[in-house]
Amino acid sequence: DAKTTQPTSMDCAEGRAANLPCNHSTISGNEYVYWYRQIHSQGPQYIIHGLKNNETNEMASLIITEDRKSSTLILPHATLRDTAVYYCIVRINQAGTALIFGKGTTLSVSS
Amino acid sequence: EAGVAQSPRYKIIEKRQSVAFWCNPISGHATLYWYQQILGQGPKLLIQFQNNGVVDDSQLPKDRFSAERLKGVDSTLKIQPAKLEDSAVYLCASSLRQGDTEAFFGQGTRLTVV
Repeated sequence: DAKTTQPTSMDCAEGRAANLPCNHSTISGNEYVYWYRQIHSQGPQYIIHGLKNNETNEMASLIITEDRKSSTLILPHATLRDTAVYYCIVRINQAGTALIFGKGTTLSVSS
Repeated sequence: EAGVAQSPRYKIIEKRQSVAFWCNPISGHATLYWYQQILGQGPKLLIQFQNNGVVDDSQLPKDRFSAERLKGVDSTLKIQPAKLEDSAVYLCASSLRQGDTEAFFGQGTRLTVV
């Protein structure tokens, strides 16, 4: 799997948008970008994934650059409960491929 | 829908002792994963099952770790003998099928080896 680069930590004020960047410059054409988050003392939780088009669901939006070398996860209105470690993962959707986690970005949302 | 169940939540053992963790995946999920998460790091895949067969165990330290998934449902992960560096959270996850877009994780078992 391609490697990803994320900032170690970020801060965000409650109610503001949180924009979490991810660099995946060696991504292959058949690799998807996934985002998971891990709240303290819990297991990771799926947020969103995409191949090349921008995606939006009830939790977040995923913006992937045209060259697919980087992406941004957007939490439109961050709350205190969004404080977590956010993992950007690239992976092909194929039998036998598991999620390979890096160190992620620790997002701290404060009031 | 019930989530992935793991037990125990916490375990403290002395080095050289043995320990076992149990995981019950979401009903109907064919793929099961065990991850090890050391403090401050992301989860590291130890082993992946498809039904009761092993798909990938390349990262499993087989001299001391073993895992099984009898009948393709519940799974156990065992460490024998434990070392200090095995202190970590052990996470179990499941997905409906291999390569599925979303994996569901349990809360994990926190192991402390003293």
